[in-house]
Amino acid sequence: EPEVTQTPSHQVTQMGQEVILRCVPISNHLYFYWYRQILGQKVEFLVSFYNNEISEKSEIFDDQFSVERPDGSNFTLKIRSTKLEDSAMYFCASSEMLAAEKLFFGSGTQLSVL
Amino acid sequence: SQQGEEDPQALSIQEGENATMNCSYKTSINNLQWYRQNSGRGLVHLILIRSNEREKHSGRLRVTLDTSKKSSSLLITASRAADTASYFCATDGGSNYQLIWGAGTKLIIKP
Repeated sequence: EPEVTQTPSHQVTQMGQEVILRCVPISNHLYFYWYRQILGQKVEFLVSFYNNEISEKSEIFDDQFSVERPDGSNFTLKIRSTKLEDSAMYFCASSEMLAAEKLFFGSGTQLSVL
Repeated sequence: SQQGEEDPQALSIQEGENATMNCSYKTSINNLQWYRQNSGRGLVHLILIRSNEREKHSGRLRVTLDTSKKSSSLLITASRAADTASYFCATDGGSNYQLIWGAGTKLIIKP
């Protein structure tokens, strides 16, 4: 069965450093997302991406965050200057047709900001 | 604002018993979905119920939706040890693109 893959599985960085989290969505999917989950808390929406542009973003997704689909397969989340509070599990997801329906999630990248 | 609150927060039952989890939400929705998350892993879609549906079945799963009460329930029948996981409801809250998640119910199935 096709799956969403994320790399790396764990990322440790120093506060203020830039990180890039990588995702390969399912190939025939049209909608791409980033969510995050701080330990013990709810899953939070960050951004959705469709037709090579951001379709919706949350308040969390400020100027420090950006997304890119540099080629036909990868989908990246960049955090320019990480803060301690950015420590979380970051999930990439994709969906086939209708947005916000039946999302397929990757296994996540655990980001630790020290 | 918080949307999607599950209860109970944790549920521990014997294998073979039925498990019921509930979810409440605040805004109008187009659909409500349930996902499962095994420890430290990604979320797996289980079932979607649309706002004009009242009940839906998928294998051992039964989902109900009461839009007048803004609530949903997930029933897992004849539970198995492999059902041990956290279960989350997610609503679209009227958005086309984002899901709003509950805090989840941690389900433990004792062998």
